Amino acid sequence: DAGVIQSPRHEVTEMGQEVTLRCKPISGHNSLFWYRQTMMRGLELLIYFNNNVPIDDSGMPEDRFSAKMPNASFSTLKIQPSEPRDSAVYFCASSHPGNEQFFGPGTRLTVL
Amino acid sequence: AQSVAQPEDQVNVAEGNPLTVKCTYSVSGNPYLFWYVQYPNRGLQFLLKYITGDNLVKGSYGFEAEFNKSQTSFHLKKPSALVSDSALYFCAVREGDYKLSFGAGTTVTVRA
Repeated sequence: DAGVIQSPRHEVTEMGQEVTLRCKPISGHNSLFWYRQTMMRGLELLIYFNNNVPIDDSGMPEDRFSAKMPNASFSTLKIQPSEPRDSAVYFCASSHPGNEQFFGPGTRLTVL
Repeated sequence: AQSVAQPEDQVNVAEGNPLTVKCTYSVSGNPYLFWYVQYPNRGLQFLLKYITGDNLVKGSYGFEAEFNKSQTSFHLKKPSALVSDSALYFCAVREGDYKLSFGAGTTVTVRA
């Protein structure tokens, strides 16, 4: 299996622009997670999907952030409009429910 | 709420020496504990987990961890460290059915 796939690996954008991060989970995993990693706050869970349904979005920082999972093999995290404080590494992870999570390589986002 | 603490920001050891990365936890009920490793510019990789059973858990790359209920600890160990073990290590505890709460991380440097 190719593991969790994320794209793009790096994204540089200007403040106010829309950013879309993409994730393909491991086939057969029906739990999907989006995390944000920063030096100041460490790893934070943004949102959790189970069977394509958002179960817990309490970690989404504000309305500028949205996430979708239209099918079992694809999810997006969108930031609109982006701000410099959104600069971070964003990870997608997937798992069988209750089991260990497998992380993708991450997207390093820089908002200028 | 469940939480973990990693008391050491950095651990430095010589290659061939034993490596220990410390983690303590605070949970209500039975703890589900995990160790992950993050290499530079990579996602987190699962090393091992404790759910129940033997207190000594063996994982990937020669790592093991000892669950100690009386000391509420779950220290990661490797008998003989390699330079390639240099990385950032995270302890995590699962809250409920899915949510992982991560420690701040410990940077391990193994010198040749």
